[in-house]
Amino acid sequence: QKEVEQDPGPLSVPEGAIVSLNCTYSNSAFQYFMWYRQYSRKGPELLMYTYSSGNKEDGRFTAQVDKSSKYISLFIRDSQPSDSATYLCAMIRSPVNDYKLSFGAGTTVTVRA
Amino acid sequence: EAQVTQNPRYLITVTGKKLTVTCSQNMNHEYMSWYRQDPGLGLRQIYYSMNVEVTDKGDVPEGYKVSRKEKRNFPLILESPSPNQTSLYFCASRKQGEVTGELFFGEGSRLTVL
Repeated sequence: QKEVEQDPGPLSVPEGAIVSLNCTYSNSAFQYFMWYRQYSRKGPELLMYTYSSGNKEDGRFTAQVDKSSKYISLFIRDSQPSDSATYLCAMIRSPVNDYKLSFGAGTTVTVRA
Repeated sequence: EAQVTQNPRYLITVTGKKLTVTCSQNMNHEYMSWYRQDPGLGLRQIYYSMNVEVTDKGDVPEGYKVSRKEKRNFPLILESPSPNQTSLYFCASRKQGEVTGELFFGEGSRLTVL
């Protein structure tokens, strides 16, 4: 069993729809949770970062962490064609003491104009 | 501009022909790492380095070597490439102790081994 599970999709939605992405994980020691966005032929870039359980909002993006269920989510409201990318979840025990991010496989999202 | 630079971006080679993928960062980051990305498997760590002359294996180190003689450079060496090393490779760096743990990635090197 993988340490981080993420449905690879692909996911295709019309412009303006809400996109819902999620990951599950098995290691309860993870404390820091991230979402990276990767455009085609580019390297991943950090989109959002959350510590422990709770919600975090940044514009049209909302990240949620439920540590009791070992489940994290990313929501994209009013999706735009420019949101078409692969979204990877990532997590780590401690950025200060730990050296390894554990990544999900990534979900490919296409927003149709 | 802060960046991680990888070269070559695209490479086709044959089994057994040694090759090196270079990686350089201009952000003075202590930590550097190599990943490979394969469909359905996501990003898997090959090797990482906490600082100059300090390296360690990641999840899939077999068939790869690295060195860290300078802080800014972290080359990935394939001594005898095989077809199962055909993949998209990413170099990444981050500032040690940064609370977000944000990794900065290069644009990737697509390697095909025939």
